[in-house]
Amino acid sequence: GQSLEQPSEVTAVEGAIVQINCTYQTSGFYGLSWYQQHDGGAPTFLSYNGLDGLEETGRFSSFLSRSDSYGYLLLQELQMKDSASYFCAATHYGGATNKLIFGTGTLLAVQP
Amino acid sequence: DVKVTQSSRYLVKRTGEKVFLECVQDMDHENMFWYRQDPGLGLRLIYFSYDVKMKEKGDIPEGYSVSREKKERFSLILESASTNQTSMYLCASSLSRGSYEQYFGPGTRLTVT
Repeated sequence: GQSLEQPSEVTAVEGAIVQINCTYQTSGFYGLSWYQQHDGGAPTFLSYNGLDGLEETGRFSSFLSRSDSYGYLLLQELQMKDSASYFCAATHYGGATNKLIFGTGTLLAVQP
Repeated sequence: DVKVTQSSRYLVKRTGEKVFLECVQDMDHENMFWYRQDPGLGLRLIYFSYDVKMKEKGDIPEGYSVSREKKERFSLILESASTNQTSMYLCASSLSRGSYEQYFGPGTRLTVT
């Protein structure tokens, strides 16, 4: 089957660095994306890794290793507003178009 | 900015009713998707459409159908609502076939009693 695994919850303090890991098992894998979802809000796109290595976007970085079927999202200088759920999603070629297969999400709680 | 809107934020329906969830995107995107989100299960794809009148089943299509008569509008239909279809329903769109970024609507929380 196709699946992505990530921790269900992570807790960190303001100003710290946190890493959210994601391992995947999918066929037709193109790349790994990360989405952020605040409570009651819509998921919003954070980053995409189509190639192995690190992608940096401000305080957020994302990493992919295809050989290990593994990726992570790194959040630096944590702020209270970063408290949200984070989903990894594998881009999968579904025939007519690319589809996303989502992990079950990691709830990040940032404490003062 | 891409905007994806959904017809209702909250909806309460009775078992056996036919339910229509509407989604509209304003950026001429080719692809549109319907997901349901349940605690601990993440987002699961119900159906998607890659062109007007073209649709494909996702991972959990049972009990649902879809309609895309115009490019900007994608409807999810619950033919006969059941209590196990109580969920958050999210619509999304993406630009074209090779796109990896999806834009999501605010969601419709459907309760079936």
